[in-house]
Amino acid sequence: SQKIEQNSEALNIQEGKTATLTCNYTNYSPAYLQWYRQDPGRGPVFLLLIRENEKEKRKERLKVTFDTTLKQSLFHITASQPADSATYLCALCTDTGRRALTFGSGTRLQVQP
Amino acid sequence: DAGITQSPRHKVTETGTPVTLRCHQTENHRYMYWYRQDPGHGLRLIHYSYGVKDTDKGEVSDGYSVSRSKTEDFLLTLESATSSQTSVYFCAISESMASGDHNEQFFGPGTRLTVL
Repeated sequence: SQKIEQNSEALNIQEGKTATLTCNYTNYSPAYLQWYRQDPGRGPVFLLLIRENEKEKRKERLKVTFDTTLKQSLFHITASQPADSATYLCALCTDTGRRALTFGSGTRLQVQP
Repeated sequence: DAGITQSPRHKVTETGTPVTLRCHQTENHRYMYWYRQDPGHGLRLIHYSYGVKDTDKGEVSDGYSVSRSKTEDFLLTLESATSSQTSVYFCAISESMASGDHNEQFFGPGTRLTVL
């Protein structure tokens, strides 16, 4: 069966450290993968997209890697800040024509000051 | 929030009653989506639309129907609400392929529905 798993429900780190979140998938061949941030009581907000032929993408303190052999994406936040505390969702697109996404259940990141 | 509104924002209803949730956008985006979000399940796609009067089912479409008679409005209807449909419902929109590279979805603020 198809499955998307994010490494843990919650991740606690100290301010200034690098947070690394994992997204693993099985039985998918995604054309691209996206990462979203969700704050309590709000809708998700898009952060980054990485395509199947790309290995790495960066945006400010964010970095995403995509390994289609391992079927895994890693999401890094460097020099983390308390304001980075949120739930982070990965999402796969396996049908670019329909542009429908399948989401993981998310990882809640807590950055301690 | 990218010009997306959802109404109502909160609703409490009783089992067996019909419920309609509305998503309205001012971005003229072609694609619109309805998701539900439940603890432990993340966001799950209910239905989506790729144009006026063009809709398709997502992974959890049973018990739900949708309609899109105008570009800006996408309605989600629970014909006979059940307690298992208690959830937070999010609408999302996405722009056409020609106008962007990111293909990201923009989400509304959500509707919290409780079915007693």
